[in-house]
Amino acid sequence: GQQVMQIPQYQHVQEGEDFTTYCNSSTTLSNIQWYKQRPGGHPVFLIQLVKSGEVKKQKRLTFQFGEAKKNSSLHITATQTTDVGTYFCAGPSYFMDTGRRALTFGSGTRLQVQP
Amino acid sequence: EAGVTQFPSHSVIEKGQTVTLRCDPISGHDNLYWYRRVMGKEIKFLLHFVKESKQDESGMPNNRFLAERTGGTYSTLKVQPAELEDSGVYFCASSHGGIPWGYTFGSGTRLTVV
Repeated sequence: GQQVMQIPQYQHVQEGEDFTTYCNSSTTLSNIQWYKQRPGGHPVFLIQLVKSGEVKKQKRLTFQFGEAKKNSSLHITATQTTDVGTYFCAGPSYFMDTGRRALTFGSGTRLQVQP
Repeated sequence: EAGVTQFPSHSVIEKGQTVTLRCDPISGHDNLYWYRRVMGKEIKFLLHFVKESKQDESGMPNNRFLAERTGGTYSTLKVQPAELEDSGVYFCASSHGGIPWGYTFGSGTRLTVV
């Protein structure tokens, strides 16, 4: 079945440093989504990328979707303590045999920011 | 609009007991999903409802887990009897339409089995 892998699993940075997490899918994705989960919280939808090579920005966050639509990255410029949390990528899975249309999540990258 | 609501937020039960988790999706969202995150690992799919029908329950760990969505509104997930490895955070999510665009997650139920 489809697998979505993320690296690194964990990163500890000093406030002000940049951070990047990478996501790779075993299959081509129609779109990719990113979520952020604060400690003790629930995943919150950040963004969705649909087009090959697409780049989207949200303030200090830059999201990229690979040309082959199998990989993606999230880059945070000049991290702040409010960026602390786990970042998940997720791709839609379509299973013809079961009819499942659900998201398959990556394992997440936990970001810790040192003030 | 009201978000996805889950109840309870926390539950601590003894091994062998029964627990029922509830999820109220966003009104009008036909698609309802249950996911679980265990020990800080990935968010794993459990099952998917379209209205009151189970579209796919292949992610359910075993037959100790039973999910229902009577009337196509709220859903319940029952664990009976609970085992230690069932501990984790159970998230419910809903979405509109047949293609999973951005999910709206509930705040989750943290289940601890002791």
